[in-house]
Amino acid sequence: SQTIHQWPATLVQPVGSPLSLECTVEGTSNPNLYWYRQAAGRGLQLLFYSVGIGQISSEVPQNLSASRPQDRQFILSSKKLLLSDSGFYLCAWSDGKGLRGTNEKLFFGSGTQLSVL
Amino acid sequence: AQKITQTQPGMFVQEKEAVTLDCTYDTSDPSYGLFWYKQPSSGEMIFLIYQGSYDQQNATEGRYSLNFQKARKSANLVISASQLGDSAMYFCAMRHGTASKLTFGTGTRLQVTL
Repeated sequence: SQTIHQWPATLVQPVGSPLSLECTVEGTSNPNLYWYRQAAGRGLQLLFYSVGIGQISSEVPQNLSASRPQDRQFILSSKKLLLSDSGFYLCAWSDGKGLRGTNEKLFFGSGTQLSVL
Repeated sequence: AQKITQTQPGMFVQEKEAVTLDCTYDTSDPSYGLFWYKQPSSGEMIFLIYQGSYDQQNATEGRYSLNFQKARKSANLVISASQLGDSAMYFCAMRHGTASKLTFGTGTRLQVTL
């Protein structure tokens, strides 16, 4: 069965420090991968998604970047964190093989709570 | 532009009662999928139910059912026989056309009481 791992679970970082959050998926190949951010008490905002190795689409201009060095690995990074980068970060995957409009579900990791102080 | 709206920031329901969580959407694409996710206090997002735009019948998954009214562009989640463990945030989401991504609403916090 497929599993998704995301770490760390919590992170406290000073302003201006770098960031690296990692996400890996097991039990599937060539998944679509996603990074979402959830501000406190709010919905999910899509940050990045990837349909293959080295293919990254950015949804919003921001202080963050993403990379996909391997098929099942997705990394969220920042060179210098801002206060506004605080939030709950969720990695997700889908099988990417669904037909138009079909039930391609997203499966989420357990999230990383990032506090930038 | 595609948009998901959840107008109920919070809802209360008594244990064993049914509750409806509202969701409306806006898209010009005739092909789309609608999803509901549950987010307990632990933070993880749990898939509950899916409805395709071409599906003729409302989706059901155990105690969850989706009241799909295409003409009104609504996809309300109905939870029957509420349990204390149903207390969580609930998010409606939509995938439109061939897009790989889901667009989420702002969520509804459901509190089940004794």
